[in-house]
Amino acid sequence: DVKVTQSSRYLVKRTGEKVFLECVQDMDHENMFWYRQDPGLGLRLIYFSYDVKMKEKGDIPEGYSVSREKKERFSLILESASTNQTSMYLCASTTLRVSYNEQFFGPGTRLTVL
Amino acid sequence: ILNVEQSPQSLHVQEGDSTNFTCSFPSSNFYALHWYRWETAKSPEALFVMTLNGDEKKKGRISATLNTKEGYSYLYIKGSQPEDSATYLCARAQGAQKLVFGQGTRLTINP
Repeated sequence: DVKVTQSSRYLVKRTGEKVFLECVQDMDHENMFWYRQDPGLGLRLIYFSYDVKMKEKGDIPEGYSVSREKKERFSLILESASTNQTSMYLCASTTLRVSYNEQFFGPGTRLTVL
Repeated sequence: ILNVEQSPQSLHVQEGDSTNFTCSFPSSNFYALHWYRWETAKSPEALFVMTLNGDEKKKGRISATLNTKEGYSYLYIKGSQPEDSATYLCARAQGAQKLVFGQGTRLTINP
């Protein structure tokens, strides 16, 4: 079974803190994604990566950065957390080896910024 | 800009009843449409990936249809059960890699 894991289920941070959200997948997938989910807005893409050290901005990259040093790991970084970054963060991965393949999701990290 | 729309946003259905909801999307440059089910405290899981106009897919009591010319997909659940309670997400593929998600339909099955 494909497994995507995220480092924390719940996280509480203070405004201005640097926050790291980690995601690991075990299926050798090329593509990895970070989304945030807010009520009434659906999943919105923050960043994605199609290879090690490669990244592309999604629809809402402001205030975030990412790192992909190894194929299986994709990190989301909040350089200086703000209250409007309180949200549910979901990581996903997929492979291009299968056409139109589904994305496999982690369980999510609910981040609260106080 | 969110260009995938799902309706309704929430739905309460009596156990045993059948239900359906809609995903609307731009019909131009269509690649694929995904449906996911997201149960509380779990990861979203893929239900269907649909690529061809007229596609119909089925998994148990859940089925989906696709009309790429008019830009919509329906998800049907027959004989709803409490375990069907979840948020159902549709997503339009933008090329081979990215997905654009709708806001979801939250389904609650009343026993």
